[in-house]
Amino acid sequence: AQSVTQLGSHVSVSEGALVLLRCNYSSSVPPYLFWYVQYPNQGLQLLLKYTSAATLVKGINGFEAEFKKSETSFHLTKPSAHMSDAAEYFCAVSDPAAYTGANSKLTFGKGITLSVRP
Amino acid sequence: NAGVTQTPKFQVLKTGQSMTLQCAQDMNHEYMSWYRQDPGMGLRLIHYSVGAGITDQGEVPNGYNVSRSTTEDFPLRLLSAAPSQTSVYFCASSYRTSGGLSEQYFGPGTRLTVT
Repeated sequence: AQSVTQLGSHVSVSEGALVLLRCNYSSSVPPYLFWYVQYPNQGLQLLLKYTSAATLVKGINGFEAEFKKSETSFHLTKPSAHMSDAAEYFCAVSDPAAYTGANSKLTFGKGITLSVRP
Repeated sequence: NAGVTQTPKFQVLKTGQSMTLQCAQDMNHEYMSWYRQDPGMGLRLIHYSVGAGITDQGEVPNGYNVSRSTTEDFPLRLLSAAPSQTSVYFCASSYRTSGGLSEQYFGPGTRLTVT
């Protein structure tokens, strides 16, 4: 079964600083990978996705993520944090359809809360 | 498109009561799923469906029932509510691609409290 590891539950950065949120997955076959953001008392919104095209994926709000097969990682970055980036971030992985047939599932990490200090 | 809609937004139940959380999508997506979100636990899959008439269990199915009679609707039933089911519930839909599932489209959530 797929698993997703998001190291740490909370990250705090200063406004204008680099944001780095880590995500590692377990799979011998590159899956589809996603980052979602959840603002307080809201649902989840897709930030970006990797679907086996370019390894560097650009998303909304200035975020990007790089797929590294050798490290089984899909870390999320943003060069300069903004106060509005404070939210919870989830990494998720989709089982490769070739191995699970029709019943592909999406597995989520436990989430990381990002705080941005003025 | 309304996307994925969920009702109600908030609900308070007493232990032992039953209720149904409603979920509907208007994107003709084959795949629908229910998650619960608890602090520090991320999202955990309760049940999912790969099409009308087909459902399967996820990670935490106990105490919940689902059915999928149409492509659009995927209700979640709590049979006999327990305080452990206090949570925020999200419904999501997606479609299959050649390499796996597409991104999931989420509803706004239902905040359930069981006393």
